[in-house]
Amino acid sequence: DVKVTQSSRYLVKRTGEKVFLECVQDMDHENMFWYRQDPGLGLRLIYFSYDVKMKEKGDIPEGYSVSREKKERFSLILESASTNQTSMYLCASSLQMWANEKLFFGSGTQLSVL
Amino acid sequence: GENVEQHPSTLSVQEGDSAVIKCTYSDSASNYFPWYKQELGKRPQLIIDIRSNVGEKKDQRIAVTLNKTAKHFSLHITETQPEDSAVYFCAASINRGSTLGRLYFGRGTQLTVWP
Repeated sequence: DVKVTQSSRYLVKRTGEKVFLECVQDMDHENMFWYRQDPGLGLRLIYFSYDVKMKEKGDIPEGYSVSREKKERFSLILESASTNQTSMYLCASSLQMWANEKLFFGSGTQLSVL
Repeated sequence: GENVEQHPSTLSVQEGDSAVIKCTYSDSASNYFPWYKQELGKRPQLIIDIRSNVGEKKDQRIAVTLNKTAKHFSLHITETQPEDSAVYFCAASINRGSTLGRLYFGRGTQLTVWP
């Protein structure tokens, strides 16, 4: 089965710190996604990528950037963490860009910004 | 972009009863409608999906119906069991332009099944 691995399950950072969230998938998927999950707000898309070095803004990209230097790895960067970025972050991948495909999610990173 | 609304936000049922969760979407170009289940502390997982050329799809105790004219789709769970307790997310996807391959999620429904 596809494995999507997020580097940290829990992370505590201070306001103003630069934060890196890493995600790796092992099935040669083209698409990778970063979502933010908050109670009552569902899954909101931050950024996605359909190829190496390609990125597309999602619905809430402000305060975030991403990097995809290798096909299997997709990083989410918080340039200067703020308390309103405290949230659960979910990475996901899917096989192909040109088809509606099943998303495989990582287990999530619960980020707390103090 | 697409707007997906999901109701209700919470749903409590007795074990053995049926549960129905409803979603509406705004863009008539949407053509793929998956449902994801997220158990407490776990990752979301796809449980069933339907494409716009099909009106209904069933998999054991779960079924999804799609009404393209009204732009709504629903998840039906029959003979509910405690292990059905979870948050359920509906989603819609459009294959057009730069929105290729991305899903628009509803806000989720917390289903609780009481024994």
